[in-house]
Amino acid sequence: GAVVSQHPSRVICKSGTSVKIECRSLDFQATTMFWYRQFPKQSLMLMATSNEGSKATYEQGVEKDKFLINHASLTLSTLTVTSAHPEDSSFYICSASAGTGNRKDGYTFGSGTRLTVV
Amino acid sequence: AQSVTQPDIHITVSEGASLELRCNYSYGATPYLFWYVQSPGQGLQLLLKYFSGDTLVQGIKGFEAEFKRSQSSFNLRKPSVHWSDAAEYFCAVGAPSNTGKLIFGQGTTLQVKP
Repeated sequence: GAVVSQHPSRVICKSGTSVKIECRSLDFQATTMFWYRQFPKQSLMLMATSNEGSKATYEQGVEKDKFLINHASLTLSTLTVTSAHPEDSSFYICSASAGTGNRKDGYTFGSGTRLTVV
Repeated sequence: AQSVTQPDIHITVSEGASLELRCNYSYGATPYLFWYVQSPGQGLQLLLKYFSGDTLVQGIKGFEAEFKRSQSSFNLRKPSVHWSDAAEYFCAVGAPSNTGKLIFGQGTTLQVKP
C-alpha cells in the first residue's frame, strides 16, 4: 500500500533556529501533500496544502513566512519552521494521496514529527 | 462551514465489549467521511471511508461505520474490542468540491480495560 515517510520523527532545537521536516511518498507520486499541526490531546489542524511545482496554499491564520513549504518534486514536500520559538513546539504530520490524487482514496499520513523548541 | 463533532472525548470499555464512537458532521451535502486511528506519537491510519452507496461500511481491524444522512452521523462500531484497540480515534470529513483537505473532529480517546 501507499507509504508516506516523514523525517525526522523527533527534533529538539534552540529558540531562534530553523528546522526542516521532510515528507516523502515512497511508492507513489503525490502532486498534493498536506501539512497538519496537532497540539497535545487535540485534533489535527490543517496548516497548508503543498502543490508540486507551485506555491503552497496556507490556511487562515498560518504565517507563510514562518512555515515555509517547498514541494519541488512529486515525491517530496518539506516544511521549514523558521526562527522557531517554544510556542511552535507541536506534533507536525503530513499526508498525501496515492495514485492520481483522487481524494476518494483517503489520504496516507506520515508518522509525524515531534518538534520541541527550547 | 464544514465541521465535525465527536461528542465523547474519552471512552473506556472492557475488553471483549462492544464499542461505538460517535461522529456528527455539518455540511450542506454528503461529504466524504473517514475514520482514522492514531497510536501515541504516531501518524494516522485509515480505518474506513464512505463516499456513496451502501451506508454500512466495513473497514480494517473489524471496524465498521454507518452513515445516517438524517442524523448527519457516521458512527464507528466494533462488536468486540481488543486491548490493542486502545488509541485515539478521529472522524474526518472532506468536501467533494474542494481540493481534498480534511477537517477533523476533536478525537476520542479509547481506553480498554482488561
